[in-house]
Amino acid sequence: AAGVIQSPRHLIKEKRETATLKCYPIPRHDTVYWYQQGPGQDPQFLISFYEKMQSDKGSIPDRFSAQQFSDYHSELNMSSLELGDSALYFCASSSWPSGGQYFGPGTRLLVL
Amino acid sequence: DQQVKQNSPSLSVQEGRISILNCDYTNSMFDYFLWYKKYPAEGPTFLISISSIKDKNEDGRFTVFLNKSAKHLSLHIVPSQPGDSAVYFCAAKAGGGNKLTFGTGTQLKVEL
Repeated sequence: AAGVIQSPRHLIKEKRETATLKCYPIPRHDTVYWYQQGPGQDPQFLISFYEKMQSDKGSIPDRFSAQQFSDYHSELNMSSLELGDSALYFCASSSWPSGGQYFGPGTRLLVL
Repeated sequence: DQQVKQNSPSLSVQEGRISILNCDYTNSMFDYFLWYKKYPAEGPTFLISISSIKDKNEDGRFTVFLNKSAKHLSLHIVPSQPGDSAVYFCAAKAGGGNKLTFGTGTQLKVEL
């Protein structure tokens, strides 16, 4: 079965650079979620989109923005990167209003 | 403030026996609970969920029990298999909202 696809899987950036993470949800899923998992921490909710509209917002820094496109894929844009942004970024998708979110493999971002 | 807590960071069980993973929460607004399994270098995999209107949900070897008065839920895996060895996250959400609040995870090791 098709799963959530995230790209890239690994990304290395320097401080103050920008990064764009992409997420392709499971076909026919209309809701995407972004989570950030720091080393040794649990995943923290960042933001979600339903039918291309922001549906919920968590602890997403102002330096980050995200959107969902007409084909339901989503992009997380991160600017002015800081060392503390180094983390595993997960995207999940679901079919609204299903309770089960299906996660992608994650993008590991390293900021040097 | 950790609203979802998994107080056991690790658990070791023999193959064939029952694994019981526990989770406590503090936010009385949570009304939907989920369990995820996570292998290294992969995203969390949805296992099973339960709505607050139920006290038990069963799916194959996995059963989740919810005790609302104690704000406690548990995941039972019977019989445990070596392939079950992973980190298990408890997650909760409130009032039809999107964001999941995760616990800190329990590392389950199923030994031969």
